[in-house]
Amino acid sequence: QKEVEQNSGPLSVPEGAIASLNCTYSDRGSQSFFWYRQYSGKSPELIMSIYSNGDQEDGRFTAQLNKASQYVSLLIRDSQPSDSATYLCAPGLDTGRRALTFGSGTRLQVQP
Amino acid sequence: DAGVIQSPRHEVTEMGQEVTLRCKPISGHNSLFWYRQTMMRGLELLIYFNNNVPIDDSGMPEDRFSAKMPNASFSTLKIQPSEPRDSAVYFCASSSGLSYYEQYFGPGTRLTVT
Repeated sequence: QKEVEQNSGPLSVPEGAIASLNCTYSDRGSQSFFWYRQYSGKSPELIMSIYSNGDQEDGRFTAQLNKASQYVSLLIRDSQPSDSATYLCAPGLDTGRRALTFGSGTRLQVQP
Repeated sequence: DAGVIQSPRHEVTEMGQEVTLRCKPISGHNSLFWYRQTMMRGLELLIYFNNNVPIDDSGMPEDRFSAKMPNASFSTLKIQPSEPRDSAVYFCASSSGLSYYEQYFGPGTRLTVT
């Protein structure tokens, strides 16, 4: 079983819709979760962090964490064509190890 | 702030040649990470340093790869000898001690080994 699993997509949504991106992880020791966005040909950039069960909102973005189910999701409301990118999920361990293991990413396409 | 700086941005070399990739982290960041990204394997960690000391190099593919961080503002990743399967985009990232999972990535070096 992979440490982090994501559907590779592409996930296609119309402009203005809600895009839902999902991620499952295997390590129950994961305490925090991070969503990185990567535009084609560019480097990843951090867009959301979540540290506890429930929802974390930042503008149009909401991260949802369910530790019991080992599941984390990213919702993008009012999707825009500029949101078209690959979204990488990465859990962090509370062990002092500073490295992240990234999922393979979900490619999102927002159709104008 | 300049962000993470990597050089060169593109490198094309022949099999068997030595390749050196360079990285300057964000000033004040004390953790530095080298990642490699390919279509097949995604984004994978090669090695990371904390306060200039290598902490985890388990992702380094083989002895042909080596990394150094002689000071807080500079790191190198060397491949010797290079092989076609090393072709990938190599990213350097840095983070601070307060939020080490919040990593800032450089623009990457696209390496092509022919």
